[in-house]
Amino acid sequence: AQSVAQPEDQVNVAEGNPLTVKCTYSVSGNPYLFWYVQYPNRGLQFLLKYITGDNLVKGSYGFEAEFNKSQTSFHLKKPSALVSDSALYYCAVREGSGGYQKVTFGIGTKLQVIP
Amino acid sequence: SAVISQKPSRDICQRGTSLTIQCQVDSQVTMMFWYRQQPGQSLTLIATANQGSEATYESGFVIDKFPISRPNLTFSTLTVSNMSPEDSSIYLCSVLLGTGGADTQYFGPGTRLTVL
Repeated sequence: AQSVAQPEDQVNVAEGNPLTVKCTYSVSGNPYLFWYVQYPNRGLQFLLKYITGDNLVKGSYGFEAEFNKSQTSFHLKKPSALVSDSALYYCAVREGSGGYQKVTFGIGTKLQVIP
Repeated sequence: SAVISQKPSRDICQRGTSLTIQCQVDSQVTMMFWYRQQPGQSLTLIATANQGSEATYESGFVIDKFPISRPNLTFSTLTVSNMSPEDSSIYLCSVLLGTGGADTQYFGPGTRLTVL
């Protein structure tokens, strides 16, 4: 069975500092990995995904994520945090073979950017 | 991506009643999904709704409680039947876009349901 873990319930970072939101995954085959963001009282917005190719994936709003196969991780990063980045961030994984497979979401990490 | 709308955006309902949530997409999609997000929790898949076939329900969810319609490639409804306070949640519609394995799920804005 596939799973995804977000070990931090909340991450606090000062505005202008780099941020990292951690995600590790477990899947039997090749992973397809995703990050979504949820702003207060809104639905999930797709940020970025890793399917294959370069381990560093760039997405919306200046975010990027690094796929590390040996560590089974897909951490979300941004060089300089903005107060407007404060939101809930969800990592998701599914197995990338055999047609469409169900996506499994992490429990979410609340990012708080402090002015 | 796709523009996905949901109606209603929120509702407050009485115990024992039913609510039907609508999901409209601005493009034709084969696979649509309904999720539940209970307070402080992650997303839980209720069912997958493909046009022209019966919805496929996940463990713990049944058609009598959550009937789904998928009359065409741009629309779906989820009904929450005989509601109880435990059904208070955000209900999210999602669609799958893309081909060749690089497909991605996109989400509607959600319907916030409160059951008294």
